[in-house]
Amino acid sequence: KQEVTQIPAALSVPEGENLVLNCSFTDSAIYNLQWFRQDPGKGLTSLLLIQSSQREQTSGRLNASLDKSSGRSTLYIAASQPGDSATYLCAVNQAGTALIFGKGTTLSVSS
Amino acid sequence: NAGVTQTPKFQVLKTGQSMTLQCAQDMNHNSMYWYRQDPGMGLRLIYYSASEGTTDKGEVPNGYNVSRLNKREFSLRLESAAPSQTSVYFCASSGKTGETYYGGYTFGSGTRLTVV
Repeated sequence: KQEVTQIPAALSVPEGENLVLNCSFTDSAIYNLQWFRQDPGKGLTSLLLIQSSQREQTSGRLNASLDKSSGRSTLYIAASQPGDSATYLCAVNQAGTALIFGKGTTLSVSS
Repeated sequence: NAGVTQTPKFQVLKTGQSMTLQCAQDMNHNSMYWYRQDPGMGLRLIYYSASEGTTDKGEVPNGYNVSRLNKREFSLRLESAAPSQTSVYFCASSGKTGETYYGGYTFGSGTRLTVV
């Protein structure tokens, strides 16, 4: 059974710092991996989608990498801002089921 | 704007009452999903529909039924609500292009359900 783990569960950083969020998964037979952002009381906003054949995707200050063989993905946020404060969720898509989520990393960026 | 629309956004039910959560997508996606989100438990799959005419149980299906009404719409029904079903419910959809490209999931804004 696929399990997705996100470490750390919470992270606090000062504004301007570069940071890395980690995601690991136990079964490497995935179609793709998706990173989401969730603000308190709100829905999920898709940030980046990495297909299993890809190594990384970039969008603005965000860069996500995927190492399928080792079951790991990272989300790199450059020059963090208070507006980046949210919960970040990692999820994997594989055959025979739907998206499987980690429990998220709650990020707080202080000004 | 294209996306996934859920109704209602908020609902309070009494124990034993029934209700249907509605979901519609306009992205021509084949697959649709219902998740629930609870503190400390993360997002858990209730039911999904890989294509029109099919539905499958997810991780936590007990107490729920679903209907894939057509390609656009996927509803979730609580026949006899229980306090344990107090949660935030999210609907999502996804598509596939060709044999190898699996698209990302798009989520609705959620329904906050309280059962008293």
